[in-house]
Amino acid sequence: AQSVAQPEDQVNVAEGNPLTVKCTYSVSGNPYLFWYVQYPNRGLQFLLKYITGDNLVKGSYGFEAEFNKSQTSFHLKKPSALVSDSALYFCAVRDGNNNDMRFGAGTRLTVKP
Amino acid sequence: EAGVAQSPRYKIIEKRQSVAFWCNPISGHATLYWYQQILGQGPKLLIQFQNNGVVDDSQLPKDRFSAERLKGVDSTLKIQPAKLEDSAVYLCASSLEVTITDTQYFGPGTRLTVL
Repeated sequence: AQSVAQPEDQVNVAEGNPLTVKCTYSVSGNPYLFWYVQYPNRGLQFLLKYITGDNLVKGSYGFEAEFNKSQTSFHLKKPSALVSDSALYFCAVRDGNNNDMRFGAGTRLTVKP
Repeated sequence: EAGVAQSPRYKIIEKRQSVAFWCNPISGHATLYWYQQILGQGPKLLIQFQNNGVVDDSQLPKDRFSAERLKGVDSTLKIQPAKLEDSAVYLCASSLEVTITDTQYFGPGTRLTVL
């Protein structure tokens, strides 16, 4: 079955600095990868997804993610962090052989002024 | 475009009681999902509907959980009887189609506390 790992529970960055939130995955078929963000007392908001094609995917709010097949990774990045980016970020994966979308445990991003 | 609506937003019950959650997906979305998110974890799929048919309920604890999607629009998720370990946020999501590449859009969730 497919699985996702987010190796960092917490990421702290200073406002204006670049940020990276890490995600690695395991699938038996082709991976379909997603990033969601969750603010307090709110549901998950879609940021971006990789289906096929260009390995660099651009999404909402200036976020992007790079698909790396050899390292089975899909790290989320942003060139310049904002305090308002502080939230809980989830990586998720589906594969071509399984209906279930599996989520990582989440990474809490804190951006300090 | 209105998002996924859920109610109630919060619910507190005693163990062994029953509870029901309601979800209204984005208009025109054929696929509806219920997830359970326990504190400190990512969401876990409970059940997936396409229109009013069940696509996947392999992770639904069927001895106590049930769900329906009458007329292929609104859906209700019921727990009867509730256990302490059911305390979680229950998220509803919808997607336009049933393909696995389709984006899922989530509602705000219902936070359930079982005492």
